[in-house]
Amino acid sequence: VQLQESGPRLVKPSQTLSLTCTVSGGSMRNEDYSWSWVRQAPGKGLEWIGYVSNSGRTSYNPSLESRVILTLDKSKKQLSLDLRFVTATDTAVYYCARLGVSYPLNQFDPWGQGTLVTVSS
Amino acid sequence: SYVLSQPPSVSAAPGQTARITCSGDNIGSKSVHWYQRRPGQAPLLVIYDDSEWPSGIPERFSGSNSGNTATLTIRRVEVVDEAEYYCQVWDSSIDHPVFGGGTKLTV
Repeated sequence: VQLQESGPRLVKPSQTLSLTCTVSGGSMRNEDYSWSWVRQAPGKGLEWIGYVSNSGRTSYNPSLESRVILTLDKSKKQLSLDLRFVTATDTAVYYCARLGVSYPLNQFDPWGQGTLVTVSS
Repeated sequence: SYVLSQPPSVSAAPGQTARITCSGDNIGSKSVHWYQRRPGQAPLLVIYDDSEWPSGIPERFSGSNSGNTATLTIRRVEVVDEAEYYCQVWDSSIDHPVFGGGTKLTV
């Protein structure tokens, strides 16, 4: 399975950051996995954004929950991220990753290459 | 929510052993996963479920977990191992993953 992020690299403050993750080499219909976004701001650590399960159930980081929406299109094999009302603090490398759903196998693997999104006017 | 603490930096000479710790309340009762992030590259899972190896990861990498500390051990450290390392667990109380703050390994 391979994941590839795509979307605008520059977003203006207060606008919506929209990214797509396309999956190849495997199915998104395996119920052992959910699909997730993680970001890393410059000089910071990894921050989990949210995940969407195979059934479409979503779960978000409480710090971002009011601004984020994840959707899954299994027929297109795509995961989408919309982050609204962005500010400079949302500048980061955004990664999509497959997430195991069955404890203790709740690891992220594999990851996409990541895409740097800059929020600036 | 559950908090994981890692030292900001660790250093080791080539050929030596590097140990990176991840501390959390009774972390020994949780399953710990470790990721390597080389500069400019995506994170890579190097250990899952405390001590299991994903396919393709050399056995120089090993993990342990007990009490309040999980440890990633890298034996015979190489220059290519220079990277950031992150631990991660699942916080079942809120059904969310949690990452440690990351440790920069300098070789």
